[in-house]
Amino acid sequence: DTGVSQDPRHKITKRGQNVTFRCDPISEHNRLYWYRQTLGQGPEFLTYFQNEAQLEKSRLLSDRFSAERPKGSFSTLEIQRTEQGDSAMYLCASSWGTGGNNEQFFGPGTRLTVL
Amino acid sequence: AQRVTQPEKLLSVFKGAPVELKCNYSYSGSPELFWYVQYSRQRLQLLLRHISRESIKGFTADLNKGETSFHLKKPFAQEEDSAMYYCALRAYGGATNKLIFGTGTLLAVQP
Repeated sequence: DTGVSQDPRHKITKRGQNVTFRCDPISEHNRLYWYRQTLGQGPEFLTYFQNEAQLEKSRLLSDRFSAERPKGSFSTLEIQRTEQGDSAMYLCASSWGTGGNNEQFFGPGTRLTVL
Repeated sequence: AQRVTQPEKLLSVFKGAPVELKCNYSYSGSPELFWYVQYSRQRLQLLLRHISRESIKGFTADLNKGETSFHLKKPFAQEEDSAMYYCALRAYGGATNKLIFGTGTLLAVQP
C-alpha cells in the first residue's frame, strides 16, 4: 500500500496521559497536514508542514499539542496531559507541489479515546 | 470568515432518483472548492474539484460565485453512491493550502 499510513489506528488512554501518533506520507510528498475530526463534524485543520518546516498552526492546537516532521518525511503529533475533549479522529494528509494546485491524500486516521 | 455550510446531515433517496447535495461557502477572495467522499470503512478521498470541471462517477458540481454555492449533483443515484460527502474550500494563493470542511452530508440510496 503506497498511500498515507497512520499508526496506531486506535488509541485508548486515561485522562492526563501523553500520547503520540505517527503519520507516514506518500513517498516524496513534500506537504503534510494534520486534521482533527469529532463526531458529526468535518475535519478541522490543525497544522501544516512543507518539508520539515511547520508553516501554520491552528488556534485549535493548544500548547499541549506539538507536531514535528524532523526529516521532512514522517510526522508525529503528540498530545500531552490528554483531556476528554481530545477524543477524536486524527487525520493526516499529504500532497506534492510548490503551488496551490495539489490534491491532498488522506490517511485512515487514528481514533483517540480519552477515558 | 471562511466557512463551508452543508445544511443537510442526511439525504435519503431511492435508486435512480436525482441527487443534489447542497454546499454554500463564505470567503472574501477567490476560493477553490472540492467535494470529498468517504465510503464505509474507507478513507476520505477526493471526488472532484471545481477547477477540473469534470464528471466523476456521474457526479458534477458547478461553482456559482453569485450564490456562493457548489452543489453536488447526479441525475440517477446508485446504491454504491451511499457514503458521507464533504464539501471543502481552500483559500486560493494561500501558503498553507489548508482545507476548510463542511459538516458533511450522509447520502443513503435505498434500493
